[in-house]
Amino acid sequence: EPEVTQTPSHQVTQMGQEVILRCVPISNHLYFYWYRQILGQKVEFLVSFYNNEISEKSEIFDDQFSVERPDGSNFTLKIRSTKLEDSAMYFCASTSAFYNSPLHFGNGTRLTVT
Amino acid sequence: GENVEQHPSTLSVQEGDSAVIKCTYSDSASNYFPWYKQELGKGPQLIIDIRSNVGEKKDQRIAVTLNKTAKHFSLHITETQPEDSAVYFCAASQGNNNDMRFGAGTRLTVKP
Repeated sequence: EPEVTQTPSHQVTQMGQEVILRCVPISNHLYFYWYRQILGQKVEFLVSFYNNEISEKSEIFDDQFSVERPDGSNFTLKIRSTKLEDSAMYFCASTSAFYNSPLHFGNGTRLTVT
Repeated sequence: GENVEQHPSTLSVQEGDSAVIKCTYSDSASNYFPWYKQELGKGPQLIIDIRSNVGEKKDQRIAVTLNKTAKHFSLHITETQPEDSAVYFCAASQGNNNDMRFGAGTRLTVKP
């Protein structure tokens, strides 16, 4: 069964550094998402992406965050200047349709900001 | 916006017993309610979902019930097995994934 793959599985970075989290969505999916899960808390929506542009973003997704689909397969989340509170699991997801289509999640990237 | 509350946060059952996880939602316009299972080191995986035009849906040992009037929905797992041990998340949306909101999760432990 096709999977969403994320790399790296764990990223440690120093406060103020830039990080790029990478995702390869399922190949025939059209809608891409990033979610965040701080340890022990809810899975939170960050951003959705369709047709090479952001379709919606949450209040968490401020100017420090950006997303890109640099080629036909990768979907990246960049955090420009990391803060301690950015430490979390970051999940990429994709779907084939916008409505009533289940999210397919990757295994996540654990980001630790020291 | 939508707010989803989930209870309990942890649940421990004996193998073979049933487990029930409950969620409430705030937005009466929500009409799609998926449940996800997250195993250690993995992303959430959809296990069952229900839409607001039905009150119950069953898939083998898993069932979900929906009470639109009370704005709550529940996950029922019967004849639990150790491999059911995981964190379970409920979610609610108006059908589009941009407004999907998740509960805080329930850590289910099934003791052999």
